[in-house]
Amino acid sequence: DTEVTQTPKHLVMGMTNKKSLKCEQHMGHRAMYWYKQKAKKPPELMFVYSYEKLSINESVPSRFSPECPNSSLLNLHLHALQPEDSALYLCASSQGVAGNRETQYFGPGTRLLVL
Amino acid sequence: AQTVTQSQPEMSVQEAETVTLSCTYDTSESDYYLFWYKQPPSRQMILVIRQEAYKQQNATENRFSVNFQKAAKSFSLKISDSQLGDAAMYFCAYQETSGSRLTFGEGTQLTVNP
Repeated sequence: DTEVTQTPKHLVMGMTNKKSLKCEQHMGHRAMYWYKQKAKKPPELMFVYSYEKLSINESVPSRFSPECPNSSLLNLHLHALQPEDSALYLCASSQGVAGNRETQYFGPGTRLLVL
Repeated sequence: AQTVTQSQPEMSVQEAETVTLSCTYDTSESDYYLFWYKQPPSRQMILVIRQEAYKQQNATENRFSVNFQKAAKSFSLKISDSQLGDAAMYFCAYQETSGSRLTFGEGTQLTVNP
């Protein structure tokens, strides 16, 4: 089973709202990722968590705040977003971050619209 | 920095025919991983096939196979007996063995005509 789940599937929020995206996997993977994807473009890496610790932050604005409460769950807290933040947000997980355990498996994504 | 180039923004194929999507990459590393991901209109990124650079044998997954030319830094995907469900955006991706960062190409939009 290579299932990564994401909720909600769609989200519409105003620029003053606070919302959260959720990602969950039960494959025993120890690395989890957030990506942002604009239409007709490849995904862009935002954050990487390895063993529940933030290991990579790709200079993402502070209005995006990741959280990894446990090894199965990854959240992305959103606050004061801009319309240009509208995109598909993809979560992925991999067994590890080194060697041959790095293959990333993606969730279905959350389509975010900021008004 | 590593780069991945997909020179075909769009491709089309007739159902049941074979199509090849091209990908080239640039790296100074000797060991790495290469992937093809498929993203249908549902937008979920689905792993199609994976190749480890130290393995000379080309990876195969059912109707999907790759032609990995390490010296030429080329990694093409062949889809045999194309099906309507193969219609999607296909991304080629590179990953170092020592890190977790995936470098994606710009993608190839594949259309399958009935």
